[in-house]
Amino acid sequence: GAVVSQHPSWVICKSGTSVKIECRSLDFQATTMFWYRQFPKQSLMLMATSNEGSKATYEQGVEKDKFLINHASLTLSTLTVTSAHPEDSSFYICSARDPTRGTDTQYFGPGTRLTVL
Amino acid sequence: KQEVTQIPAALSVPEGENLVLNCSFTDSAIYNLQWFRQDPGKGLTSLLLIQSSQREQTSGRLNASLDKSSGRSTLYIAASQPGDSATYLCAVTTDSWGKLQFGAGTQVVVTP
Repeated sequence: GAVVSQHPSWVICKSGTSVKIECRSLDFQATTMFWYRQFPKQSLMLMATSNEGSKATYEQGVEKDKFLINHASLTLSTLTVTSAHPEDSSFYICSARDPTRGTDTQYFGPGTRLTVL
Repeated sequence: KQEVTQIPAALSVPEGENLVLNCSFTDSAIYNLQWFRQDPGKGLTSLLLIQSSQREQTSGRLNASLDKSSGRSTLYIAASQPGDSATYLCAVTTDSWGKLQFGAGTQVVVTP
């Protein structure tokens, strides 16, 4: 089956630094990737939709200048949390859509745990 | 605005009992509904996908129903096992790009 990887799986950083999270589709080309954030005991909240070769579309309330998304190739999307603060600590999950399988099928990465001190 | 609600938030049952998990959504204009499993600190595993035109889907011990007009879906897990312990999330697809709106999940514990 299709596999999506995320790197790193966890990261601890100091307040004010920037952190980059990678999302890769390993065995298929993903024209569309999604980034979600999950706080403890809460649901996944969609942050943005990332389309290869174009600007990401952000959900209402998500700061595009703080959460930079780059989908430079059909197998890689990156999320950069700029000037991270403790309130950005969360579980970040990406998913990728395989266009050959229609819009229904998304494959999720294992997630990245970000802790900002 | 679409809202997805899951009840109960947590559930504990002895091994062998059947599980019934509920999901409701406020806007019936959905493309499909999916049930996922999430283990602690992990990503999501897709369990079942029900198209908006379908009433139910089955896979092994899992059966999910969908009543789009009333905005409800139910996931049944027969003869529960300790390995079924996880958080179960339902999500509806809200547009043609595949955007998912998730519920908060039901945390299930199956005791041996």
